[in-house]
Amino acid sequence: DQQVKQNSPSLSVQEGRISILNCDYTNSMFDYFLWYKKYPAEGPTFLISISSIKDKNEDGRFTVFLNKSAKHLSLHIVPSQPGDSAVYFCAASGLSNFGNEKLTFGTGTRLTIIP
Amino acid sequence: DGGITQSPKYLFRKEGQNVTLSCEQNLNHDAMYWYRQDPGQGLRLIYYSQIVNDFQKGDIAEGYSVSREKKESFPLTVTSAQKNPTAFYLCASSPRTGGTGELFFGEGSRLTVL
Repeated sequence: DQQVKQNSPSLSVQEGRISILNCDYTNSMFDYFLWYKKYPAEGPTFLISISSIKDKNEDGRFTVFLNKSAKHLSLHIVPSQPGDSAVYFCAASGLSNFGNEKLTFGTGTRLTIIP
Repeated sequence: DGGITQSPKYLFRKEGQNVTLSCEQNLNHDAMYWYRQDPGQGLRLIYYSQIVNDFQKGDIAEGYSVSREKKESFPLTVTSAQKNPTAFYLCASSPRTGGTGELFFGEGSRLTVL
């Protein structure tokens, strides 16, 4: 049961253009959504998050949009830079069966920025 | 510098052997987690611990065991009962529960079963 889905395994974008990464979820009880960036053979690093009560959060070149009715969120990177080439994971925070917060991750999208 | 240290970074194991992956954090975080990454499957939760001397099974705990005797340490043992142990293992921590869910990850350990 994949509660968080990233349907595009890869994406290529020209340097300077906008990168848009998408994520869908099925559980309406998630209360936070996060994006992580991961380079090969390294641990993921936190990028940006959004509360379920908001529809937009912006941090520099990164903006996350949340559409609760569609159970969809997206990460916009503008302008895209070569250093943005990485795998991006969408994650959702909610209560586990034990009543504790846990993160559920999507399968990731590999973003390649073309110089 | 504060952070999470995983060791070893690369590990090879023969079938039928147990192996323990180390995870140490000096962030003074209460919660610690172990995830497994496989190609095309994202990160899956193995075990997590919200407090010393307590831990809970995640989504794929079979064939793994953990302990949390100290706040800063959360070792993961991959036992011979784990049918497909070759993977990239990630340890993470967070300062508290009930927050945004942000986790801080270590650099990972790649386990290969020969």
